[in-house]
Amino acid sequence: DGGITQSPKYLFRKEGQNVTLSCEQNLNHDAMYWYRQDPGQGLRLIYYSQIVNDFQKGDIAEGYSVSREKKESFPLTVTSAQKNPTAFYLCASSSARGGSETQYFGPGTRLLVL
Amino acid sequence: EDQVTQSPEALRLQEGESSSLNCSYTVSGLRGLFWYRQDPGKGPEFLFTLYSAGEEKEKERLKATLTKKESFLHITAPKPEDSATYLCAVHGDSSYKLIFGSGTRLLVRP
Repeated sequence: DGGITQSPKYLFRKEGQNVTLSCEQNLNHDAMYWYRQDPGQGLRLIYYSQIVNDFQKGDIAEGYSVSREKKESFPLTVTSAQKNPTAFYLCASSSARGGSETQYFGPGTRLLVL
Repeated sequence: EDQVTQSPEALRLQEGESSSLNCSYTVSGLRGLFWYRQDPGKGPEFLFTLYSAGEEKEKERLKATLTKKESFLHITAPKPEDSATYLCAVHGDSSYKLIFGSGTRLLVRP
């Protein structure tokens, strides 16, 4: 079955630690996205990538980093510079580059700070 | 600035009691309006995409409609399994990204 996988489901971060969230898709989509979801708020865009080896900052990129070395993979690193990382992180992909094609979401990773 | 407002924030219905969820939007040049369903602790599940005013789409008990200023998600004779948060998002000409509303939490009681 085609889809988007995210791992781990839960992730715990210690003070000063960098952690990496995995996102893989087998939909052959060009574009991939990372969102952050906080209670009572809409999804906010962290980073997006429209093609391999290229990515752009979204609205809340500070304290985060990404890479896009393969079409199927778009990992997100939450660095120690992100002071409030506790949230639900969602990865999405779509077939169009900058168009209005539907974004499909993964199951999410919940990040908690110890 | 592109903006999406969903109402109500929360809605409680009895099983079989039909109702509608509202998504009001302000966008320069609508390229698409999207409805998603999200269950607690899970990623959003795609429901519908609407592209132009007057367009309607249906899926089981759900029907989405679109005007130039808002979209409605009509739920006919809902069942408890329809309980979820419903998210609306828009994509406009002036931006590369989707703008999401805060969602409507729907609870359908048996």
